[in-house]
Amino acid sequence: EAGVAQSPRYKIIEKRQSVAFWCNPISGHATLYWYQQILGQGPKLLIQFQNNGVVDDSQLPKDRFSAERLKGVDSTLKIQPAKLEDSAVYLCASSLDGSSTDTQYFGPGTRLTVL
Amino acid sequence: KQEVTQIPAALSVPEGENLVLNCSFTDSAIYNLQWFRQDPGKGLTSLLLIQSSQREQTSGRLNASLDKSSGRSTLYIAASQPGDSATYLCAVYAGANNLFFGTGTRLTVIP
Repeated sequence: EAGVAQSPRYKIIEKRQSVAFWCNPISGHATLYWYQQILGQGPKLLIQFQNNGVVDDSQLPKDRFSAERLKGVDSTLKIQPAKLEDSAVYLCASSLDGSSTDTQYFGPGTRLTVL
Repeated sequence: KQEVTQIPAALSVPEGENLVLNCSFTDSAIYNLQWFRQDPGKGLTSLLLIQSSQREQTSGRLNASLDKSSGRSTLYIAASQPGDSATYLCAVYAGANNLFFGTGTRLTVIP
């Protein structure tokens, strides 16, 4: 079974530039998550999708971050414009239905460096 | 707000030793607790998931316990191996969109 795919794996941009990350979850998984992991910290949930709908985006800095999952499968996370403090690993995860018994499966992440 | 703490932040042990990693959380109203492993440059791999009604879960050389009333969980690794070297993260799930991670324990097993 293929795992969660993410691209690119690494991205270096200058502040105020834009960047987009892509995630393809495990086939059949209805729930998709985007996390931000700053060096030395645990992942922080940014947004959760159930199929193509947003369950909660309360921790997403909406002035600069946006995410979509138009067809309920793959998803993109965009940052525009980027700030220095956005340097982090962006992890995508998926799970079958988002229930309390569900296990999340993580992709390898995209490491973003903002100069 | 839920806070998850992991102690120690880093741990080095010789191969073959048994070891315990600790996780504590401030709000006992959780649905489950998970232990994850993170290798450098890679995503997280779920190791064990303990439902709030359970006391422990076992998988191979790993055993995780949960004491919800005291807000504590431990991950016990028996007969450690160099391949166990990684960062171990615990996370508590408190309902939709409420998955809180600790900062992790970086484990090094010395051959």
